[in-house]
Amino acid sequence: NAGVMQNPRHLVRRRGQEARLRCSPMKGHSHVYWYRQLPEEGLKFMVYLQKENIIDESGMPKERFSAEFPKEGPSILRIQQVVRGDSAAYFCASSPPGGRAHYEQYFGPGTRLTVT
Amino acid sequence: RKEVEQDPGPFNVPEGATVAFNCTYSNSASQSFFWYRQDCRKEPKLLMSVYSSGNEDGRFTAQLNRASQYISLLIRDSKLSDSATYLCAVKPGSARRLTFGSGTQLTVLP
Repeated sequence: NAGVMQNPRHLVRRRGQEARLRCSPMKGHSHVYWYRQLPEEGLKFMVYLQKENIIDESGMPKERFSAEFPKEGPSILRIQQVVRGDSAAYFCASSPPGGRAHYEQYFGPGTRLTVT
Repeated sequence: RKEVEQDPGPFNVPEGATVAFNCTYSNSASQSFFWYRQDCRKEPKLLMSVYSSGNEDGRFTAQLNRASQYISLLIRDSKLSDSATYLCAVKPGSARRLTFGSGTQLTVLP
């Protein structure tokens, strides 16, 4: 059973460009979460999605950031007009739809974004 | 006050030692608690879930104290491979998001 998959693993963008990060949840998981980890800082929640719905975006910056989880295909975190402060590791996690373990989140390997 | 607080360490312990980490949380409505380990530049890996008073898995024991609002992780007979950063995570109330502590760094020395 493949784990959470993220691509690309490393992404370099110049200031002002767009960054697109992709996440495919574990098989059978229908909940996707995005977290950001700045250098030397802890993991910060950004957004929680189910298929075609954003459930909780309380951690998303108000501008330039958006996320989606379409009916078909991976979840995408999009950052427009990137700035140096966006450089971080972006982790996606997924959890199963039900059962006792449905709050347990399993993380992908992350995408390391570097803005030059 | 931070929602989830951990002692950042570092904890440097010899092989075979027993080491314990504490994590305090501020939201008394929190119901689910987790310990993750994170190796340098890797993703967090779920170590243990704590739903009631505690949980044990081999050398690892997690305990929950709701009255004092903290959870602890005990590692017995430390191995070199236990060296990592240990993250405490709390699910606040009805929300599904996790709030993480800043992590406790453990180094097990030969």
